[in-house]
Amino acid sequence: AQSVSQHNHHVILSEAASLELGCNYSYGGTVNLFWYVQYPGQHLQLLLKYFSGDPLVKGIKGFEAEFIKSKFSFNLRKPSVQWSDTAEYFCAVNAYNYGQNFVFGPGTRLSVLP
Amino acid sequence: GAVVSQHPSRVICKSGTSVKIECRSLDFQATTMFWYRQFPKQSLMLMATSNEGSKATYEQGVEKDKFLINHASLTLSTLTVTSAHPEDSSFYICSARDPRKTYEQYFGPGTRLTVT
Repeated sequence: AQSVSQHNHHVILSEAASLELGCNYSYGGTVNLFWYVQYPGQHLQLLLKYFSGDPLVKGIKGFEAEFIKSKFSFNLRKPSVQWSDTAEYFCAVNAYNYGQNFVFGPGTRLSVLP
Repeated sequence: GAVVSQHPSRVICKSGTSVKIECRSLDFQATTMFWYRQFPKQSLMLMATSNEGSKATYEQGVEKDKFLINHASLTLSTLTVTSAHPEDSSFYICSARDPRKTYEQYFGPGTRLTVT
């Protein structure tokens, strides 16, 4: 079965620090990869997605992620975080042979200190 | 972008009663909708996949008689929690797939259910 792991449960950074959140999945076939963000009290929003092509994808709000197939990873990065980036971040995987189902990682809570 | 709404946003019910949660796609027709459950500080767990005009497909361990799903139209799916118990208290989130955009899902704002 598919599974998604995220390296950090809670990350605390100061404003302007660089961010990298790890995401690994356990499926050897073709996958679609997503990062979602959930701001406090709000619903999930898509940050970025990877279907095919350039493994470095850029999303909204200055976020980017790199798909490394050999490492089964899809890490999220941002060069300089802001206080408003405080939120829960979820990595999600959809494997072609598993139909339309998304499997979510456990989430990483990011706290940015002003 | 595509918008998915849920109603109600919060509901409190007494143990033993049933509660219905609605999920609507507002600006597209969703042949497939998904229901997730999110426990506090945890990730989303897929409960079931709802296809318009057919029976829902439930994930392993999800009681289909307790969590009734109906997808009667291309813009509406409902989740009914029957004979609710305190352990059913959770955050329920739906998502809908826009068939024009392969593999993307759009999430509703969620419904907080508290069973007393």
